[in-house]
This record gives sequence, structure tokens and C-alpha cells, in this order.
Amino acid sequence: DTEVTQTPKHLVMGMTNKKSLKCEQHMGHRAMYWYKQKAKKPPELMFVYSYEKLSINESVPSRFSPECPNSSLLNLHLHALQPEDSALYLCASSQMTSGLLGNEQFFGPGTRLTVL
Amino acid sequence: DQQVKQNSPSLSVQEGRISILNCDYTNSMFDYFLWYKKYPAEGPTFLISISSIKDKNEDGRFTVFLNKSAKHLSLHIVPSQPGDSAVYFCAASGWDNQGGKLIFGQGTELSVKP
Repeated sequence: DTEVTQTPKHLVMGMTNKKSLKCEQHMGHRAMYWYKQKAKKPPELMFVYSYEKLSINESVPSRFSPECPNSSLLNLHLHALQPEDSALYLCASSQMTSGLLGNEQFFGPGTRLTVL
Repeated sequence: DQQVKQNSPSLSVQEGRISILNCDYTNSMFDYFLWYKKYPAEGPTFLISISSIKDKNEDGRFTVFLNKSAKHLSLHIVPSQPGDSAVYFCAASGWDNQGGKLIFGQGTELSVKP
């Protein structure tokens, strides 16, 4: 299984809502990532989890709250978002090792989020 | 400060010809370079990569060349096919104890015309 899955595919939420994005991989990868991507722009790193511990937070606002319940799952909890947070949210995973294999990140299809 | 740059936002090529996508970087500490392909409304798909100790890596129609002295890499697609039309992102990485962090270029939109 070489797939990263993400649910839901699309999400529309109001600024007062609380919602969660989910990501799952069964490749035995121990590093998992959240990215945000706006149209015509490159993916922008938000968070990195290594061995289920948060290792990088790229100064993301607290209205985004990541969670890694186990080595296969990654969640992103959303609360009080702004319209400018509308974007494609991508999850990725990679082997937790140095060398080329550790740098190859496998991306999920993304969740298209619209904040009204 | 953009550490990875793709200076051509778009490229148009005839089917069957060669596509050459370019990427420049500024950080000499990068160890690995990767190319990703992205279709609209989908996640990026890993295409090919190269370690900084090599100058060429080939996989089928795709070849990546690395010129460390010029801090430049390129992706060659031969022959180009209409299905190759997508946005191509160059990415660079240097593994550290915080976990791998990819730095992406701005992307080049390739259009292969029949």
C-alpha cells in the first residue's frame, strides 16, 4: 500500500465552526506532514510529526491544531478559521531516515477547504 | 528569501519533443533534490529525485541533471506527451534531526500540445 488518504475531499465551513481533517497512511512511515497550498503556489509546510511527536510548527496560527493519534493517522483540527484560510490542505508522509528515501514525501490528494 | 527558484512560470512544448524544466537553488547545504508533478485539485506526485553526490539520474522518459557548482538542476522529459501537461515543482531538502523539510520552488506549468 503506497497511498496516503485524506478525508473529506471537500469541506465548506463557517468562521464559527469546528471541523477536522483526517489523513492516513499504511506505509510504515514515521514522519507525517501538513501542508497548505493556494492556487498557482507551491505547497507551504505547516507541521511535521516525527515518531508521533510534533517536531516542526512553522509558526501556524493556533486556530489550526494538529494531532497524531498513532503512527498511521494525522488529524488537523480547525476552529474559528478565516476566509483567507481557504486552500487545499495536503498531508504527506515519508520514511524517518536519512538519505534519499527519507526525503521522498508521498502526498495525499488533499482536502479542498472553503471558509465562508 | 527564496532558496529554491523556478524562474519560468510556464513552458509550452510540442508532443514528441523534449521538455526542459529548470530549477536554481541558493543553499549549498541541500542534500537531495526532488521533482513533483501536480494536476489541478490533486496532491503532488513524486516523479524523480537525485542525491547531491550524483550529477544525473534517469527513470524512463525522465532525467534529472544536477550541476552543483552552478547550483542548478533540470528535468528533461523525452519524448513529451500530452499527459505530461501539469505543474512541475522542484524541491530541495537537507535531512536534520527535526525531520525532513522540503523547500519547494514556485512551479512551472508545462503544456504539451498534440
